[in-house]
Amino acid sequence: AQKVTQAQTEISVVEKEDVTLDCVYETRDTTYYLFWYKQPPSGELVFLIRRNSFDEQNEISGRYSWNFQKSTSSFNFTITASQVVDSAVYFCALSEARSNTGKLIFGQGTTLQVKP
Amino acid sequence: NAGVMQNPRHLVRRRGQEARLRCSPMKGHSHVYWYRQLPEEGLKFMVYLQKENIIDESGMPKERFSAEFPKEGPSILRIQQVVRGDSAAYFCASSPLTGRNTEAFFGQGTRLTVV
Repeated sequence: AQKVTQAQTEISVVEKEDVTLDCVYETRDTTYYLFWYKQPPSGELVFLIRRNSFDEQNEISGRYSWNFQKSTSSFNFTITASQVVDSAVYFCALSEARSNTGKLIFGQGTTLQVKP
Repeated sequence: NAGVMQNPRHLVRRRGQEARLRCSPMKGHSHVYWYRQLPEEGLKFMVYLQKENIIDESGMPKERFSAEFPKEGPSILRIQQVVRGDSAAYFCASSPLTGRNTEAFFGQGTRLTVV
């Protein structure tokens, strides 16, 4: 069965701290896609990254970085030198190729609060 | 190129009324997804449609909910005889292809409140 678990419900940090959001997934498919989305207080969903199961290379984009480890079925997200504007709910999601639909299975989300 | 447009942004309905949520996909996108976000929860897949076809409705409640994506016009998510438990944010996403290789673009959501 497919599942995405974000064990951290809420995280609070002080500005400029680094923070890592955990994501663990379950799937029987060998080809799948992992995503991170940001949902700021205004409510929209902002796409951050997509990673396919064959690409385990870590990625860095500015203050954001992602660590994909197939061996532990994890796709963690790190924000370096956090800022108040990073305060949001962050969702990890999984899409299985075999479903051939592209539908996303979301985790419960992690609420990140960055205090000044 | 406008993004995915959902309207209304906020919708208030009394118990027993009907709610109609509209989603206009991005230009050139023929695949639409609906997701529901209950308070304090993550998004749950409801239905996946292509033009004039429902492809996967495995996440749709069996009763009162329906969706369509006509040849012309927006996709509609219809909830009949709404109840308080239907209060949620409903998000639409669109993609140009079967989404496994592409990013789905989300609208800003419709927040339904049932009073």
